[in-house]
Amino acid sequence: AQRVTQPEKLLSVFKGAPVELKCNYSYSGSPELFWYVQYSRQRLQLLLRHISRESIKGFTADLNKGETSFHLKKPFAQEEDSAMYYCALAPSYGGYNKLIFGAGTRLAVHP
Amino acid sequence: EPEVTQTPSHQVTQMGQEVILRCVPISNHLYFYWYRQILGQKVEFLVSFYNNEISEKSEIFDDQFSVERPDGSNFTLKIRSTKLEDSAMYFCASGQPGQGETQYFGPGTRLLVL
Repeated sequence: AQRVTQPEKLLSVFKGAPVELKCNYSYSGSPELFWYVQYSRQRLQLLLRHISRESIKGFTADLNKGETSFHLKKPFAQEEDSAMYYCALAPSYGGYNKLIFGAGTRLAVHP
Repeated sequence: EPEVTQTPSHQVTQMGQEVILRCVPISNHLYFYWYRQILGQKVEFLVSFYNNEISEKSEIFDDQFSVERPDGSNFTLKIRSTKLEDSAMYFCASGQPGQGETQYFGPGTRLLVL
């Protein structure tokens, strides 16, 4: 079964603290993994995708195929990082594939 | 920067009524999607559309649902006879060849069925 699990509904940290939002997936093939972010009253937007190996807004995520994980990390959280974060999986490379989303984790960064 | 737009932002309807949710994808995108999110639940895939036909649909997308690209710019989702459980936020998304699965989302339409 294709599934994305985000075990934490809410992650609450203080500004400047490290952040790790967990994501585990279940898929038998080679998926493409994404992190989408939704700031308050805004649309879902792509934060990063694993094949790009980019760091966006200080966030990074490494695909660990052995642990089937794609955790999102940032060394020093900022208040503007407060948002809903969704991990998503596309079942295969290329084309017009659906995204399978996790339940999301709300990140709250306090001053 | 071009964005996906959706209308209306909110829709209230009576059970059994038909609703049409509208989306204008980004103009040079060729892949189109609908997702929904019931309050407190995950974003769920409904349907993908490419080359004027459905490429994939989920179990949720039953005979009550249909999609159409009537004029080359709009992309619509029709629910023929709404049920209470259709109440959700509906998101449209579009994507471009060469960008793989990067999908660009609209702001959503909140549908409330009474």
